[in-house]
Amino acid sequence: GENVEQHPSTLSVQEGDSAVIKCTYSDSASNYFPWYKQELGKGPQLIIDIRSNVGEKKDQRIAVTLNKTAKHFSLHITETQPEDSAVYFCAASRRDSNYQLIWGAGTKLIIKP
Amino acid sequence: IAGITQAPTSQILAAGRRMTLRCTQDMRHNAMYWYRQDLGLGLRLIHYSNTAGTTGKGEVPDGYSVSRANTDDFPLTLASAVPSQTSVYFCASRGNGEPGYTFGSGTRLTVV
Repeated sequence: GENVEQHPSTLSVQEGDSAVIKCTYSDSASNYFPWYKQELGKGPQLIIDIRSNVGEKKDQRIAVTLNKTAKHFSLHITETQPEDSAVYFCAASRRDSNYQLIWGAGTKLIIKP
Repeated sequence: IAGITQAPTSQILAAGRRMTLRCTQDMRHNAMYWYRQDLGLGLRLIHYSNTAGTTGKGEVPDGYSVSRANTDDFPLTLASAVPSQTSVYFCASRGNGEPGYTFGSGTRLTVV
């Protein structure tokens, strides 16, 4: 079955710097890769996603890149701000499995003032 | 406001007691999910339902049951709570043909 590995488990960056979180997956049939942000005491929230027919997607300060050959995808956050502090989860899924998500273990992002 | 409502927000429960966590969505989403999140860890799927009238087991289903009598409601029942079921429980839903999940705010359950 699918397995998703996420690194690093904790990432501390200076406010204004960029942050990169990386995930690898094992099932080459996976075709949908979302990223969720979980703030303290709240449920996860979808922030960006990418499908397997696209190599990169950007939404303001966040972007996701996908390398299908290497089976890895990454979340990039530029010009980090204090409100970016949260736990970020990557996931992989397939349309033919009703998009059941296989989750990464999460990355705690700390933005230092 | 469209979304998912979970109740209660928190609960302290004596071991051996029965408890039902409620989840209601008003988005007419077909698929619904129950996850547990233990302290400092990731999300683990307990049960899911792809459409009203059907349910399936996730990664950690033991000790839990679900029902899906209609589109909007997806209750999770602990028949006889044990301390290892202390966790935060999240309900989620997914729109028809759409891959993104919407999560509720969670129920923090402590079994003593």
